Amino acid sequence: QKEVEQDPGPLSVPEGAIVSLNCTYSNSAFQYFMWYRQYSRKGPELLMYTYSSGNKEDGRFTAQVDKSSKYISLFIRDSQPSDSATYLCADSGGSEKLVFGKGTKLTVNP
Amino acid sequence: DSGVTQTPKHLITATGQRVTLRCSPRSGDLSVYWYQQSLDQGLQFLIQYYNGEERAKGNILERFSAQQFPDLHSELNLSSLELGDSALYFCASSVVSWPNTGELFFGEGSRLTVL
Repeated sequence: QKEVEQDPGPLSVPEGAIVSLNCTYSNSAFQYFMWYRQYSRKGPELLMYTYSSGNKEDGRFTAQVDKSSKYISLFIRDSQPSDSATYLCADSGGSEKLVFGKGTKLTVNP
Repeated sequence: DSGVTQTPKHLITATGQRVTLRCSPRSGDLSVYWYQQSLDQGLQFLIQYYNGEERAKGNILERFSAQQFPDLHSELNLSSLELGDSALYFCASSVVSWPNTGELFFGEGSRLTVL
């Protein structure tokens, strides 16, 4: 059974802080990982995806996968109040369904 | 706006009742996915359809059923409702079925409250 474990949070940081969000996965043959962001009362939206190991950067966001430890991380630099949302990691694992972590609620305080 | 439309946005009903949730995918998307989101279980995959055919099944109860119609809209039917079925139900769509690049486009959800 494929599982994704995610730090439950909630996480509260001051504006400008570096945020680190983490997940671990149990079994993924395909190793295709995603981060979704969900604002309150909205559906999740894809933020970033990364394949296999290494880093992927997009503006203030960096996604990192460590295959050896089965660890997935999302870093947010210079966090803004508009980053306040729930962040969900997801593992595709080569199947037709995404398995999501339970999400970490982030609040960035002005 | 993701382009995925879900109705109704809110629904309040009683235990034992039956409800139908409707989803219109983004134009051109052939796959439709249903997810249930609750505080304790997170976002749980229920079922997926691709071009009218069931492609994958997750933790969907026997009391629940779904289908995708020729015009690609989908309906999720929930019957013999229990208090524990209260949750947000999301529909998502994507162009392809597999390999899954992970880019699902979610609707805003249907909030079901069972009293």
